[in-house]
Amino acid sequence: QVQLVESGGGVVQPGRSLRLSCAASGFTFSNYAMHWVRQAPGKGLEWVAVISHDGVNKYYADSVKGRFTISRDNSKNTLYLQMNTLRSEDTAVYYCARAQVEQTGSGGMDVWGQGTTVTVSS
Amino acid sequence: SYELTQPPSVSVSPGQTARITCSGDALPKQYAYWYQQKPGQAPLMVIYKDTERPSGIPERFSGSSSGTTVTLTISGVQAEDEADYYCQSTDSSATYRVFGGGTKLTVL
Repeated sequence: QVQLVESGGGVVQPGRSLRLSCAASGFTFSNYAMHWVRQAPGKGLEWVAVISHDGVNKYYADSVKGRFTISRDNSKNTLYLQMNTLRSEDTAVYYCARAQVEQTGSGGMDVWGQGTTVTVSS
Repeated sequence: SYELTQPPSVSVSPGQTARITCSGDALPKQYAYWYQQKPGQAPLMVIYKDTERPSGIPERFSGSSSGTTVTLTISGVQAEDEADYYCQSTDSSATYRVFGGGTKLTVL
């Protein structure tokens, strides 16, 4: 079945780095754009970044631009989020999600992982 | 930056109709999507392209659009519909995604 599984979360000190992974299965990963979305404790959803199906185009929310990098390895069916210079306000559950429409990356987010928790604290 | 505005909460009795609105300047030109999130769970898409319902989503969930406002309607609300609901769209460039602040639906 179609599935996304995130990993790599944990507790990290402010200013340090962390890399999240999202393993995809059950669909042709290389055909779909992918998103990262986060949710701070008790707060709403916040879109973080998107990457095109071929990894060429990448866009970021202003809150993470210049600190986070989205990437993918289509040969491994895996999405990544490299998070540098972490701040306390980056504490959240991080979800990966599939863009609904193949190739174009348009549409909503039709498949979600279960999330991985990142805590930034000294 | 672009924003979508939702009411923080909506309450309804079982069997009644719940309407959750989402307002944004780009909504006349960009589609809206709706997600349901229950505690401890990942979001689930319940409406796409303003009015379309994904397979497996009950018919009581519907969407509509008028000008700068889109509306999620849940007819014949059931206890299991109690959840947070988020609208999502893109800015006018269709590049940056944005979520509304979320609406907590309480079934009385």
